[in-house]
Amino acid sequence: DTEVTQTPKHLVMGMTNKKSLKCEQHMGHRAMYWYKQKAKKPPELMFVYSYEKLSINESVPSRFSPECPNSSLLNLHLHALQPEDSALYLCASSQPGGGLGELFFGEGSRLTVL
Amino acid sequence: TQLLEQSPQFLSIQEGENLTVYCNSSSVFSSLQWYRQEPGEGPVLLVTVVTGGEVKKLKRLTFQFGDARKDSSLHITAAQPGDTGLYLCAGFMTTDSWGKLQFGAGTQVVVTP
Repeated sequence: DTEVTQTPKHLVMGMTNKKSLKCEQHMGHRAMYWYKQKAKKPPELMFVYSYEKLSINESVPSRFSPECPNSSLLNLHLHALQPEDSALYLCASSQPGGGLGELFFGEGSRLTVL
Repeated sequence: TQLLEQSPQFLSIQEGENLTVYCNSSSVFSSLQWYRQEPGEGPVLLVTVVTGGEVKKLKRLTFQFGDARKDSSLHITAAQPGDTGLYLCAGFMTTDSWGKLQFGAGTQVVVTP
């Protein structure tokens, strides 16, 4: 069982909808990440939170809005998405600020934008 | 441009055979990880290597980190169908800011019974 839990596992939305992806970790980590992964490609970094503050935004379009309410929770708010945003969205956590950089991933949320 | 070059991109072998996946870069990495990912799931961490020349074994899997910390390899002995998956190498470059994990493009491994 993974200690990083993502919900929902599958999401289908229209281009005018507003939805959110949720992530929860119980590993005591203080860094959390959002990655986007297209089929047969490696994960692409979107956002990094360290101690509940946004530390990296990889020039992600504003239709993706991250939120870190506390050290265990990470949300990704979605609005006015495009069909090309359809992908597997992965949440991960780690110890912040160096160390070995080992990431622990959730099982992902499969997003389809119609 | 992938800073970590993985080869081969795809590998199909029979159960019982051995395989090796390579991960190469012209940059130095402070640490390097190997992950395995199955379809529709998130990557699962297999191992982390930190010291140049390091060799780690995990049952039938052997991981090596190059002396100069620029390359790594994953060797699987007597592969089983359960070894099927996408193998990803990833690491932190010594020149990168914390948090920016570099991923290789991945090697799809298929082991048939």
